[in-house]
Amino acid sequence: DAKTTQPTSMDCAEGRAANLPCNHSTISGNEYVYWYRQIHSQGPQYIIHGLKNNETNEMASLIITEDRKSSTLILPHATLRDTAVYYCIVRVAPQGGSEKLVFGKGMKLTVNP
Amino acid sequence: ETGVTQSPTHLIKTRGQQVTLRCSSQSGHNTVSWYQQALGQGPQFIFQYYREEENGRGNFPPRFSGLQFPNYSSELNVNALELDDSALYLCASSRGQILNEQFFGPGTRLTVL
Repeated sequence: DAKTTQPTSMDCAEGRAANLPCNHSTISGNEYVYWYRQIHSQGPQYIIHGLKNNETNEMASLIITEDRKSSTLILPHATLRDTAVYYCIVRVAPQGGSEKLVFGKGMKLTVNP
Repeated sequence: ETGVTQSPTHLIKTRGQQVTLRCSSQSGHNTVSWYQQALGQGPQFIFQYYREEENGRGNFPPRFSGLQFPNYSSELNVNALELDDSALYLCASSRGQILNEQFFGPGTRLTVL
């Protein structure tokens, strides 16, 4: 089962920052937080991941709370093309098994003109 | 474009039939993961192949099977199709067993009648 909780949906105005929250209160110390997004009819696209430090790349910033129980994905200047379902994922690495991504239902972000 | 391709893009089958879906991974990637995405849901992990060996499996019955070839391309086979197998099937490639970043293909839409 997914180990994260996200709102079902969120709206954002074009050009404004979009702050997407995620709760992962049961995260273990060595588990990473990943963000992917899926634009309609396409495969998911990797955005960013982190362990405990804040991370930034050309797409977004990831802010992880000090207790690691929640995080926020920030799209600094949302555009219409950022409209998608965003998945916050905790990477599961069971002992002796392979790593896998456990997706929940995600959160639909709609960027409005 | 992720460099991951899947074929066919769409497929219609009837209950009880068998289907083979194909995936070509990004150059240099030796790990392929397969996911099933039902309408309105997040992708669900089916299994993963690393260097031609199954390296982990999700909660799917044995009639879901796969192969990975020496060039790291992969097949997903589903026998005895059921109506509930109708879904988008996604493959994702990555480098090594640590899933730092998975690159997803566009998916194959399977409809079982």
